[in-house]
Amino acid sequence: DSGVTQTPKHLITATGQRVTLRCSPRSGDLSVYWYQQSLDQGLQFLIQYYNGEERAKGNILERFSAQQFPDLHSELNLSSLELGDSALYFCASSPQPGGEGGYTFGSGTRLTVV
Amino acid sequence: AQSVTQLDSHVSVSEGTPVLLRCNYSSSYSPSLFWYVQHPNKGLQLLLKYTSAATLVKGINGFEAEFKKSETSFHLTKPSAHMSDAAEYFCVVSEIRNSGNTPLVFGKGTRLSVIA
Repeated sequence: DSGVTQTPKHLITATGQRVTLRCSPRSGDLSVYWYQQSLDQGLQFLIQYYNGEERAKGNILERFSAQQFPDLHSELNLSSLELGDSALYFCASSPQPGGEGGYTFGSGTRLTVV
Repeated sequence: AQSVTQLDSHVSVSEGTPVLLRCNYSSSYSPSLFWYVQHPNKGLQLLLKYTSAATLVKGINGFEAEFKKSETSFHLTKPSAHMSDAAEYFCVVSEIRNSGNTPLVFGKGTRLSVIA
């Protein structure tokens, strides 16, 4: 157990729907990162939050949004889902805003859009 | 922008023989470099990291990597492969900037197979 908790582990939903993925960072970590892993694109950085504020943005679609709450857990919202959004979504955390020592990853949420 | 190129998509070795997974990086700033491992249906685990200290970095499970600035390389090695080393390995880069390190950028991965 890495200390980073992601729920749910698996999610199957239909095109056009909206889902929310949840992440609880390791105790004491203030930074949360979201990554998408797909066969064709590999691991892509989506977005980072540090202590409740957005710190960096990557290749995140406009249909996707995220936030970090006062208790530091984070949610990734995916809307108007398309077949191509099927992927493994990872959350990671680190103590520092820059993640200098590396990140601790959760075990991921596997999203299947049918 | 920073990037990494993993030179082999698949490497196959016999148990007990050395492992070499190759990685080249590109960065406009001083880089931090990492290797992560992903076992089937599992999350990503940090193997080792280079953050501008010693150029030879030792990690978990007997792995090590050497930072070579002149070659822009950060190859991962292990003297003797074990069956449990079979997994996907990712070379990762981050840039060290005044405003803080940039988010991690992953390579495409190298799948390591270990043959008994």
